[in-house]
Amino acid sequence: KAGVTQTPRYLIKTRGQQVTLSCSPISGHRSVSWYQQTPGQGLQFLFEYFSETQRNKGNFPGRFSGRQFSNSRSEMNVSTLELGDSALYLCASTSDGGTGELFFGEGSRLTVL
Amino acid sequence: GENVEQHPSTLSVQEGDSAVIKCTYSDSASNYFPWYKQELGKRPQLIIDIRSNVGEKKDQRIAVTLNKTAKHFSLHITETQPEDSAVYFCAAVYGGATNKLIFGTGTLLAVQP
Repeated sequence: KAGVTQTPRYLIKTRGQQVTLSCSPISGHRSVSWYQQTPGQGLQFLFEYFSETQRNKGNFPGRFSGRQFSNSRSEMNVSTLELGDSALYLCASTSDGGTGELFFGEGSRLTVL
Repeated sequence: GENVEQHPSTLSVQEGDSAVIKCTYSDSASNYFPWYKQELGKRPQLIIDIRSNVGEKKDQRIAVTLNKTAKHFSLHITETQPEDSAVYFCAAVYGGATNKLIFGTGTLLAVQP
């Protein structure tokens, strides 16, 4: 069974641009969560989607948004990029709507110049 | 607020010694407490978890204890080995039966051979 796949793995953007990151969960998993990982802040929750609905949202500005498609694939978008948005963005999926093990992807490393 | 405090931030032990990492959470409604291990350059992976109806859980050299009254939970690793060297994150679920995990800031464990 293929794991969680994130694309792109690395990207460089400049301030003011926008970026879209993609996540394909493990087949059969319907819950997808997104986390931002930085050296100083650890893993911070962005949002969680389940069956195309945003079920939870973290404390990030409105520049951060996401969506989930009918095949459970998810995208997150960051608009008007700032230097502080440089981070590793991790996607994780779980098998159903309950609380359980998160299976993480390898992440998308975003650098904002 | 939604917060998980984790201590220590770094921990160095000799091979064969025990290591203990402690976390405190703020939401009394939290009922799921996983621990993730992240090796350098790799994705976080679940190593053990505990639910609120259990006070302790063991898996070979790893154990987790939970004190719901004090809102504390701890990870215990016995007979540490060099391959245990990694960053360990504790987490607590917020918002009921969802996958909104709030993570601690991580503990860098170094096992000296």
